[in-house]
Amino acid sequence: GAVVSQHPSRVICKSGTSVKIECRSLDFQATTMFWYRQFPKQSLMLMATSNEGSKATYEQGVEKDKFLINHASLTLSTLTVTSAHPEDSSFYICSAPNPTGSRDEQYFGPGTRLTVT
Amino acid sequence: DAKTTQPTSMDCAEGRAANLPCNHSTISGNEYVYWYRQIHSQGPQYIIHGLKNNETNEMASLIITEDRKSSTLILPHATLRDTAVYYCIATGGATNKLIFGTGTLLAVQP
Repeated sequence: GAVVSQHPSRVICKSGTSVKIECRSLDFQATTMFWYRQFPKQSLMLMATSNEGSKATYEQGVEKDKFLINHASLTLSTLTVTSAHPEDSSFYICSAPNPTGSRDEQYFGPGTRLTVT
Repeated sequence: DAKTTQPTSMDCAEGRAANLPCNHSTISGNEYVYWYRQIHSQGPQYIIHGLKNNETNEMASLIITEDRKSSTLILPHATLRDTAVYYCIATGGATNKLIFGTGTLLAVQP
């Protein structure tokens, strides 16, 4: 079936630095990808919708200047956490729909665990 | 997307059927009921979805009430590997954004 990958799977960075997380659709093209954040023992929270060739759409309360999203190709979206702080430590997950697949579903990446020290 | 309500947690004995309920009383006519599950520290996994009719696939069955205000996900023979948080989501389709509720933590007991 369709696969979505994320890189890196885990990252530790120092406060004030920036971190880039990649989300790739491996065997299908994704004009849209979604980014989620999940804190421990909580549900997934949608952060933004990434659109290939255009600006991302951010959910209410998500700072677009802090969480930079670039969807430069049909198979790659990146999320950059700028000037990271300890409160940004979380599990970041991306997903991509594949409407031309055999099932009308979204495929999720394995997630990236970010720890800011 | 319509709001969904699920029990916080459920237990099930290994080998028995697990029946997970979901209420979606405000679902609109063009919204599907999707079920995903998330095993600890992994990305969510699609299980099944339906609009009006009951659906079955290799993983589970989905029973939707005639008024579409509630549904039940059935795992026919639960295994320990089915321990996960199960999310019921009402949405217009796979290309629409998914709004996750709190889900149901299903614990399959040996």
